[in-house]
Amino acid sequence: SQQGEEDPQALSIQEGENATMNCSYKTSINNLQWYRQNSGRGLVHLILIRSNEREKHSGRLRVTLDTSKKSSSLLITASRAADTASYFCATDARGAQKLVFGQGTRLTINP
Amino acid sequence: GAGVSQSPSNKVTEKGKDVELRCDPISGHTALYWYRQSLGQGLEFLIYFQGNSAPDKSGLPSDRFSAERTGGSVSTLTIQRTQQEDSAVYLCASSIPTGASGNTIYFGEGSWLTVV
Repeated sequence: SQQGEEDPQALSIQEGENATMNCSYKTSINNLQWYRQNSGRGLVHLILIRSNEREKHSGRLRVTLDTSKKSSSLLITASRAADTASYFCATDARGAQKLVFGQGTRLTINP
Repeated sequence: GAGVSQSPSNKVTEKGKDVELRCDPISGHTALYWYRQSLGQGLEFLIYFQGNSAPDKSGLPSDRFSAERTGGSVSTLTIQRTQQEDSAVYLCASSIPTGASGNTIYFGEGSWLTVV
């Protein structure tokens, strides 16, 4: 299975701290994306990193990709209570269009 | 509408009944996905439609599940003879496929199915 696996499954930190979540996958990919989900409903796209990129930033988000290790990390800096959500990585394998999601990391930011 | 629209948002059905879940993708999006998410779990891929190509049905868990996409737009996911383990949120998403550039997909709010 190409399915990504996030680590840790759950993370609880204090507001203002940085949160780091990791994702591993199994097959060669075109891209890796991170999504956020509030309250078990629709997911919202956060950031996409292509297989030839190593790092990408968007506001307080920083994503890294290591294709040799088939892993990615999502860093949220200066966390806020509103960042509390589940975060998922998603990959699309080369030659395939469908996105396959991991199991997610449940992030809780304590005020 | 501007986003992906799903209906019903909530559905309670008796075991053994059939259910239909509807998805209206974003206008102009040729790719459409269905995912299933059980409580507290990740997203399970069900089926993927792209234009006029044959759909990728590799994620459908059993022959009780089927999906159609009429006219390249609206899609219906049908679950026949529902079982309690079918209880989950069914998420639809759409995108404009951009090949190797990456498909950012846009999700609806989901249909929460409870089989009693």
